[in-house]
This record gives sequence, C-alpha cells and structure tokens, in this order.
Amino acid sequence: DVKVTQSSRYLVKRTGEKVFLECVQDMDHENMFWYRQDPGLGLRLIYFSYDVKMKEKGDIPEGYSVSREKKERFSLILESASTNQTSMYLCASSLGLRGLQETQYFGPGTRLLVL
Amino acid sequence: AQKVTQAQTEISVVEKEDVTLDCVYETRDTTYYLFWYKQPPSGELVFLIRRNSFDEQNEISGRYSWNFQKSTSSFNFTITASQVVDSAVYFCALSEADNNDMRFGAGTRLTVKP
Repeated sequence: DVKVTQSSRYLVKRTGEKVFLECVQDMDHENMFWYRQDPGLGLRLIYFSYDVKMKEKGDIPEGYSVSREKKERFSLILESASTNQTSMYLCASSLGLRGLQETQYFGPGTRLLVL
Repeated sequence: AQKVTQAQTEISVVEKEDVTLDCVYETRDTTYYLFWYKQPPSGELVFLIRRNSFDEQNEISGRYSWNFQKSTSSFNFTITASQVVDSAVYFCALSEADNNDMRFGAGTRLTVKP
C-alpha cells in the first residue's frame, strides 16, 4: 500500500512566521502534490513536482514555495504566514507516468491555523 | 478552463437507502480523466475510481456504481443500500490530458443515519 505521511496533523502559527509542511511518500513515486482544502472550494492545487528539484505552479501558488531535494520528500513553505493561509493542507503522490491524469494517493492532511 | 460542479453540498439519508451524488464537468478537451475520491472523517482522501473520456461504460464495484454520460457532461456516483460507514465527503475531479491542472469539485458531504 502507498503511504503518504505528513509531519503534523495540527499546527498553530503566528502571522509572519515561516512555516514548513513536510510530506514523505514511501512508494518511489515520481510526482508529488500540495493542495489546500477550504469549505465550499474543494481542493485547490498549490504546487506539484514531477521530479527531484522540479516544480510546477498549480492554481494558487501565491504566498507559497516548495522544495523537493529528495524523491520521497516534498516540502511546502509559507515564507510569511498570513491568516488567509489558515486551511487544511493535503499532500499527494502518484506514480509518474501520466502526471495529473493519474490516481493520486493522499496523506492525512495538516490543519494549519495562523493567528 | 475546466470546471467541476457538485451541486449537492450536503445529503442526508437513512441507512439502506440508495443515494446518488451528482458531478457535472466542463472541458474543451476531448481527452480527459474523471475521478471520485472519498474523504472520511479521518481526513485522508481515498481513491474510488478513475475514468478516461473514451470509456463511457458504466462501472459497478460492490455497492458503488458510476454513470458516465458525455452527452450531459456528467459523472454521477450511486451508493446502493447505504451504510453508516459511507458517511464522508465525496469529491469529483477532472484532469485534462494536455493541461497541467487538476480541478476538484467543492465536495458533497454525505451523512448516513442508522
């Protein structure tokens, strides 16, 4: 079974803090994704990565950056957290043959509260 | 632009009832993929089905079935004889083959009461 883990289930940060959300997958998947989930909006893609050190902007990249130094790990960075970044953050991975057309496997999510 | 509409925000049924979750999509591509995911209270999205635009056959998996109709741009999901464990938020999603993007609907929260 594919396992995608996220470093924290719940996180509370203050406005202006730098926030790191970590995601690790154990199935040697090529692709990794970061989404945020908000009520009434579903999931929105922030960034994704097809390979180590590669990244592509999703639908809402503003205010975020990512890092993929190793294949199994994909980090989401909030350089200066703001209250409108309070949300549920979901990481996903997929095998890598067909990019966004493939089945994605999701982690349990990190619920971030920015005060 | 692609768009996925799940018009039903919340549905509540009593156990053993059948329930259909609607999904309507918009795309200009001829090649695209449709997905359904389930998000139980634990938060982790669970993959249910993936369908490409060239395969209009309906699919049945146990109590779950999917009705894909290109003529109405719909990909509806039916749960037969619902159970309490089916309570979750269900998401429909669309991805175009030539577009580096993935769009999810807003989700439908299904509550199955005993």
